[in-house]
This record gives sequence, C-alpha cells and structure tokens, in this order.
Amino acid sequence: KQEVTQIPAALSVPEGENLVLNCSFTDSAIYNLQWFRQDPGKGLTSLLLIQSSQREQTSGRLNASLDKSSGRSTLYIAASQPGDSATYLCVISGGGADGLTFGKGTHLIIQP
Amino acid sequence: EAQVTQNPRYLITVTGKKLTVTCSQNMNHEYMSWYRQDPGLGLRQIYYSMNVEVTDKGDVPEGYKVSRKEKRNFPLILESPSPNQTSLYFCASRLAAGSNGYTFGSGTRLTVV
Repeated sequence: KQEVTQIPAALSVPEGENLVLNCSFTDSAIYNLQWFRQDPGKGLTSLLLIQSSQREQTSGRLNASLDKSSGRSTLYIAASQPGDSATYLCVISGGGADGLTFGKGTHLIIQP
Repeated sequence: EAQVTQNPRYLITVTGKKLTVTCSQNMNHEYMSWYRQDPGLGLRQIYYSMNVEVTDKGDVPEGYKVSRKEKRNFPLILESPSPNQTSLYFCASRLAAGSNGYTFGSGTRLTVV
C-alpha cells in the first residue's frame, strides 16, 4: 500500500527566503503527483501536477520535481511571501480504482 | 468557471437526523469521490464513483451512502449521523482514471451534536 510522508511537518521562515518542502513515497508505480495548498478550514487548491513521465513542473515562483526511482518529490518556493502561509499537501494518484494517497502536509508560516 | 461545488459549506445537526451533502461538477468528469479530513489523520477516502451508476467503498465508508444517478452530481448521504462523523468533508473529481489531476470542492464543515 502506498505511503506518503511529508517532511517537515511544520516550517516557519522569514519572508524572502527560498524554501524546499519534501515528499517521499513508497511505491514508484504512480500515475501522477499533485501538490496542493490548503488554507485553514478551506478547500484544496491545485498548485502543480507532475505526470509520471515528467521530472518537473513550474508555475511562477513554484517548482516541483519528481524522482520516481528514489520515491521523492520536492516543492521549491522562491522568494517566499506571507501570503504563501498555508498547509501544503503532496498527493499521489495510483490510477485505476484509485487511488489517491495523501501526505499529512507541511504547515508553512512565512514571517513578515 | 470549471469547478466542484459543495453545499452546504457549514452544517450543524443533531445525532440521528438524516442529511445530504451535495456535490456537483461542471467539467464532465467521469470520476468523483468523497473524503473526510480530521486532525492528525489527514484526508481519507469515503466513497468513489468511476462513472454513472458505478460506486465503490473507499477506506472509511461506514455510516455513509452515495449515489451517482447522473454524471455531474455525487451526493453524500448520512442516514443517521453520529458525533464521530463531525469532520471537514471534500468532494473531488477528475476527467477519467489515469493521469489527470483532481479538482476539489471548497469543503463542508459538518458538526454532529
């Protein structure tokens, strides 16, 4: 059964820093990996989707990488801003009957 | 706008009073599913549907029912809610099984007293 681990569980950094959130998974047979952002008590907003055949995706200040062989993905946030404060979830799709396995998230606080 | 719409956003109810949380998507997605999110446990799948009239249990189906009579709607039914069903619920959809990404609704905060 797929397991997804996100490290760290919580992170607090000053505004302007570049930071990396980590996600590891146990089964490399995945269809895709999606990074979501969740604000307190709110829904999940998709940030980046990496297909199984891809190695990275970029959107603005965000860059996500995928290394299936090592079971790892990273979410890189450049020049962090207070508005980036949220919980970031790594979600893996195993396809088929599905299939979604969620990490428990990294709670990120960007200090002004 | 392409979206998944859940209603209501917030609901407080009493033990045993049947309720339905609606979920609707306007993207012609085949696959829909329901999750609950609890502190320390993350998101767990309740039920999913691969297409119209095709539903199956997820990891935590007890106490819930679903139906998929038409493609766009996937309501979650609690026949006799109990306090342990107090949670944040999310509906999600995607185009088809495979490599497409998911779209999530905004969530329904349910409190059962």
